[in-house]
Order: sequence, then C-alpha cells, then structure tokens
Amino acid sequence: DTEVTQTPKHLVMGMTNKKSLKCEQHMGHRAMYWYKQKAKKPPELMFVYSYEKLSINESVPSRFSPECPNSSLLNLHLHALQPEDSALYLCASSAAGLAGGSGEQYFGPGTRLTVT
Amino acid sequence: RKEVEQDPGPFNVPEGATVAFNCTYSNSASQSFFWYRQDCRKEPKLLMSVYSSGNEDGRFTAQLNRASQYISLLIRDSKLSDSATYLCVPDSGNTPLVFGKGTRLSVIA
Repeated sequence: DTEVTQTPKHLVMGMTNKKSLKCEQHMGHRAMYWYKQKAKKPPELMFVYSYEKLSINESVPSRFSPECPNSSLLNLHLHALQPEDSALYLCASSAAGLAGGSGEQYFGPGTRLTVT
Repeated sequence: RKEVEQDPGPFNVPEGATVAFNCTYSNSASQSFFWYRQDCRKEPKLLMSVYSSGNEDGRFTAQLNRASQYISLLIRDSKLSDSATYLCVPDSGNTPLVFGKGTRLSVIA
C-alpha cells in the first residue's frame, strides 16, 4: 500500500479562521513533508519531519504550524492566513528518515485551499 | 546558477515519437536523482529513481552525466497518456529538496 491520504480535499476559509489539514500514511515511512504548490509552479518545500521531529522549516510564516502526533500522522494548523496563501497543499512521505529528506517520496492528493 | 533548471517546454510531439528532456543541477554533492510526473491538478507521482549512471524502465530511460551535472529523461514510443509535466529532483541527502520547475509534455494524436 503506497497511499498517502489527505483531508479535506478542498477548504475555503476566511482570514480570521483557524483550520487544520491532515495527512496520514501507513507505509512505516520515517519522514513526512508539507509542500505548497501554486498554479504552474513546482511544489515548494515547507516542512520536513524526520522520526517525528521537525528537521526542516523553510522559513515558513508562523501562521502555518505543523504537528506530528505520531509516525503515521502529520497535521498543518492554519491561522490568520492571507489570500496569497491560497494554493494546493501537498503532504508526502518517504521511507528514509534523512534530516534533509529523501527524493523518493509518495505524495497525497493534496488539499486545495482558498483563503477569502 | 539556479539549483535545478529544466526547459519548461511545452514539448509537443506526435504519438510514437521519442522525446528527451534535460535537467541541470548546481549541487555537485547530489547523489541520487528522481523524476516525477504530475498531471494537471493532481499530485506528483514518482516515475524513476537514479542512484548510479542511469536507469531504464520500459519506455523510460534516465541518464546521468555527473561531469556536466545534468540528468536526462528519454521517453520512447510516446503515448497520449504520457502528457504531463515532468519534474526533476536532485538529492544530496542532507539539504532541503528543490524540485525543478518541470517540463511540460503534450503528446498529440
């Protein structure tokens, strides 16, 4: 089973709302990732968790707060977002728990976020 | 020099054609390389991993040139279903990953 699941598929939120994105994998992978992708651009790395510890934060604004409750789950808490944060948010996982992440990743289908 | 550079295309090719795209990278410490394909409004899917000089999987061949710091992807006998954006990711193992901007391929009937 090479599946990464993400919920919700779509999310519309106001700038004062608080919401969370969820990601789950049951492949025993040791690293999990959050990416942001805007239209016609490549995925941009936001965070890497390696063995449930945050190993990379790519200077992401504090209105995005990641959480890794256990080795299978990854959350992204959202608060006071701006309209320019509207994008596809992708979760991925990889078997290798390298601090910098591994290039061999399996992606979830993403959450399409619109901030109004 | 940008970390990862790819020709954005689009490459418009007829069915059955052979097409190749290159990806150049700046980090000489990159040890492994990955090609992903991404369909419109979908997530990237891992297509091929390259750990040595190259890899072949059916109609797809990846070749690595470490001296010139590029990796190529060759697709033979193109199918309509190969139409997608192809993303390159060099991996040094200890630095944050950077995806190339991708090369768009359209295979035309």
